[in-house]
Amino acid sequence: SQKIEQNSEALNIQEGKTATLTCNYTNYSPAYLQWYRQDPGRGPVFLLLIRENEKEKRKERLKVTFDTTLKQSLFHITASQPADSATYLCALEGNNDMRFGAGTRLTVKP
Amino acid sequence: DTAVSQTPKYLVTQMGNDKSIKCEQNLGHDTMYWYKQDSKKFLKIMFSYNNKELIINETVPNRFSPKSPDKAHLNLHINSLELGDSAVYFCASSPGHTNTQYFGPGTRLTVL
Repeated sequence: SQKIEQNSEALNIQEGKTATLTCNYTNYSPAYLQWYRQDPGRGPVFLLLIRENEKEKRKERLKVTFDTTLKQSLFHITASQPADSATYLCALEGNNDMRFGAGTRLTVKP
Repeated sequence: DTAVSQTPKYLVTQMGNDKSIKCEQNLGHDTMYWYKQDSKKFLKIMFSYNNKELIINETVPNRFSPKSPDKAHLNLHINSLELGDSAVYFCASSPGHTNTQYFGPGTRLTVL
């Protein structure tokens, strides 16, 4: 069966450090992978999309990598700030829909 | 302007009642979705509609029924509410070609 695993339920880091979140998947052959941010009491917000033929994608302090051999995506936030504290979700396309991982709750401490 | 809106934001009701949650998107997207996020924060898809046609129906009870009066609206009707239906329900839409999801603010349903 198809599985998406985000290996850390929670991640605590110090302000200014780089946060690295992991998304692993099995029994998918995705054309692309997406990352979302969810704040408490709000809906998820789209951050980045990376296609299967792209190794890396950047947007400001965010960087996403996609290794289709390892079936893994890494999501990095450089120079992290307390405002980056949120839950981050990876998502893959299933059968005409998007399937989400359980999320990693990131806390950046000042 | 709100891209995807849902009403109500909070819904508290008794077991056995029938309720509806409304969703509207002004993005001109072709596909709309309903998700359920339970107490463990796991986001699970329930339905999607593409051009008024249901293309996914997950293994949800038939007490849940989506209704789409037009491309911009996808309402969720729930009959005979049960305690286990308590969750946050999110509506979303996507332009279709990459399925990037644009979520509404969520409706917190509490069944007593």
